[in-house]
Amino acid sequence: DAGITQSPRHKVTETGTPVTLRCHQTENHRYMYWYRQDPGHGLRLIHYSYGVKDTDKGEVSDGYSVSRSKTEDFLLTLESATSSQTSVYFCAISEEPGAYEQYFGPGTRLTVT
Amino acid sequence: AQSVTQPDIHITVSEGASLELRCNYSYGATPYLFWYVQSPGQGLQLLLKYFSGDTLVQGIKGFEAEFKRSQSSFNLRKPSVHWSDAAEYFCAVGAIFNFGNEKLTFGTGTRLTIIP
Repeated sequence: DAGITQSPRHKVTETGTPVTLRCHQTENHRYMYWYRQDPGHGLRLIHYSYGVKDTDKGEVSDGYSVSRSKTEDFLLTLESATSSQTSVYFCAISEEPGAYEQYFGPGTRLTVT
Repeated sequence: AQSVTQPDIHITVSEGASLELRCNYSYGATPYLFWYVQSPGQGLQLLLKYFSGDTLVQGIKGFEAEFKRSQSSFNLRKPSVHWSDAAEYFCAVGAIFNFGNEKLTFGTGTRLTIIP
């Protein structure tokens, strides 16, 4: 299995609080992705990174920001959490752009009350 | 923009029976196509992928899929399912996004239930 960890695995937070989710990889892959998974929507790309300090928006990026200061870490921040951001968040990595296999982390279940 | 349709939200199959999960895509060029499986509470695992060449691709766990350009389909098949195949299955298409970086667009998934 690819070495991808996500922390925390579960989190409950209140509306309006900031939240940061961490993705850590030991594979030295260049590309990293954050997805959210919601019933009826499958997985939707939030942000992705194609190198240290190189990031770009996905299809559902509003309300989220990311940072990547090291190859191995990709942080997803909800600046002010809202109930609509209750979801399961997955990190993924790949050696090359998305045409190659993406390896997924175990997910973080976030509940915003 | 690319899109993926999985028309079956939920499928129930008897153990030992054959399985076919449908996937239709929309993309203006030759797509990269994938099937992923997600067991409850887990991340996604790649079952198989199609980039080019032989349109029938073999994957892990006895799964195969056939790319049919004329039908814009990439259906997943297994001749005999096992109880451990109960999971959610996602079809995905790879497409150019920005700066030459490709991204995956996922379907909404098909949940597979296996009955004894």
